[in-house]
Amino acid sequence: GESVGLHLPTLSVQEGDNSIINCAYSNSASDYFIWYKQESGKGPQFIIDIRSNMDKRQGQRVTVLLNKTVKHLSLQIAATQPGDSAVYFCAEGLYSSASKIIFGSGTRLSIRP
Amino acid sequence: GAVVSQHPSWVICKSGTSVKIECRSLDFQATTMFWYRQFPKQSLMLMATSNEGSKATYEQGVEKDKFLINHASLTLSTLTVTSAHPEDSSFYICSVMSSSGREETQYFGPGTRLLVL
Repeated sequence: GESVGLHLPTLSVQEGDNSIINCAYSNSASDYFIWYKQESGKGPQFIIDIRSNMDKRQGQRVTVLLNKTVKHLSLQIAATQPGDSAVYFCAEGLYSSASKIIFGSGTRLSIRP
Repeated sequence: GAVVSQHPSWVICKSGTSVKIECRSLDFQATTMFWYRQFPKQSLMLMATSNEGSKATYEQGVEKDKFLINHASLTLSTLTVTSAHPEDSSFYICSVMSSSGREETQYFGPGTRLLVL
């Protein structure tokens, strides 16, 4: 079946550097994408979302890029901090019905001091 | 974003007993809530969609008689794991749909960790 997947299961980044977390999706009908951050033992925390009519959206220290041609989504975190250590999930769905979203397998981001 | 709470945050029970988990939307009325299950080092899997005042919609493979969902008010949904067994041990997370402007996004609770002995 169609699913959302990630290229890298783990990512180690030097503190202060930028982090890039990638995600591939296969459902061409998806038009709404969300990034969540999950710290150990906690529920997912909304980071940023993007609709398919956009290819870039910026938040505070984060940027999401969407490439519909190759069905690729990425999350960029600027000046990575120790507090950014977590598992990051991308999720996809339909904007008209954001109620049902499918989660990717997750990428663990670890920060080197 | 929406503020969501869950109770309890963790629970240990004996095999064969039932466990009730509460999900509350603290700052707005939620007609729709969702229940997910997450096993260690895995992603979140949607179990069911909880609709206020009506029966829940379960995902394929999720036993509705084992995972009872009640959404009796606009701020509270409960998930009851009946006759729990060790394989039901997991992290159960609820979410609510929140509308911000033209966009709808799911906001998640802190999760409930269930350990069945």
